[in-house]
Formats: sequence, C-alpha cells, structure tokens
Amino acid sequence: EAGVVQSPRYKIIEKKQPVAFWCNPISGHNTLYWYLQNLGQGPELLIRYENEEAVDDSQLPKDRFSAERLKGVDSTLKIQPAELGDSAVYLCASSQGQEQYFGPGTRLTVT
Amino acid sequence: DQQVKQNSPSLSVQEGRISILNCDYTNSMFDYFLWYKKYPAEGPTFLISISSIKDKNEDGRFTVFLNKSAKHLSLHIVPSQPGDSAVYFCAAIRSYNTDKLIFGTGTRLQVFP
Repeated sequence: EAGVVQSPRYKIIEKKQPVAFWCNPISGHNTLYWYLQNLGQGPELLIRYENEEAVDDSQLPKDRFSAERLKGVDSTLKIQPAELGDSAVYLCASSQGQEQYFGPGTRLTVT
Repeated sequence: DQQVKQNSPSLSVQEGRISILNCDYTNSMFDYFLWYKKYPAEGPTFLISISSIKDKNEDGRFTVFLNKSAKHLSLHIVPSQPGDSAVYFCAAIRSYNTDKLIFGTGTRLQVFP
C-alpha cells in the first residue's frame, strides 16, 4: 500500500513569492491534515479536512495561507506571499479513524 | 502554553539496554496518547498508543505506561537497538476524529553499540 505522497520534497523561494505544496493521501483515507513543523518542535496542525470539508482551520493564518481539497482526495496548501518565518517543514497526514499516517514533508526555505 | 512536554531533548543509550522516554501533559481532558518515531527527512511514523482507561500497553519491544494522576507517560524500549535511533514525539488528543493531535517537542534517542 502506498503511503502519503508529498511534493515537492524541498523548495527554496525568495520572500514575497508564492509557493504551493501538494499532498496525495493514502487511498480510502477520508481525513487529511496539514501540519507545520518548525526546527526543534513537534508538528502543529494547520488544517484538517473530512473529505472535502475543512472542519478545523483555526490555526491556519488565513491572510497568507490557503488550502483546498477538491473532490476529497488530493490537497494543496498555498502560501502567498511567503515570509522568512514560513521556513519550516510542511507535513501532510491522513487517517481513517485511528492513527495518522504522515508523508515525508516538504522542507521550505524562504530567503 | 505547551500542553504536551518532553523535557529531555536527547537521550543516549547503549545497545541492549533499556531506553526510557518521558512525556508530561497538562490537559486532564486528553484521553488518548500516542508515540511517533521520526527518522531524518521522513515524516513521523506511528509507534504505539494508549487510551486513558489503561495504564499500560505493550507491543513487542515497546511499552507505554500512563500515570494519569501525575499526568505523565513514558515509552520503554527494551532491548534498545541501533535502528531505534530517531526522534520520538509524544502526542495527545481529547477525542479521536473530533479533535487535533497535540505534539511534544520530541526527544532524540541515540543507541550506540
């Protein structure tokens, strides 16, 4: 069974530029999560989807971050414009009731 | 406010000995606890979990103990192996599918020969 797929794995951009991350969850998993992980910290939830509905986006900085999960499968997380403080690892995870399964993450560096 | 705390950023253990990773939490409403393991350049991988109605859960070399009165849980790995070298995250949740996982800051375990 394929795991959670994320792309790109690494991204370097200049501040004020836009950036997008893509996630393909495990087949059949209705719940999808985007997490932010800063260096030396644990993952922090940005947004959670149940199918195509965002059921918890309270931690998503909506002035610059947006996400979508069209058709309830793949999801895209976008930052526009990026700031220096957005440099981090962005993790996608999916679940079907029990434990969450994480993808490898996208390491974003904003210069 | 850090609701889940892992006060030891690192731990070094000799192969074959026991590794004990600790985690403290502040929210008494948490009712499910999980441990994740993370290798460099990979996402966290689920390791073992425990419900608040239990005080111990065992899976092979891994055992998690929960002390609700102390708001403390620990992960025991015995015997430790070099392949166990990774960052271990403790996480907690109030009720599955309706709430979010709260992660600790992680403990880097190094198992040396």
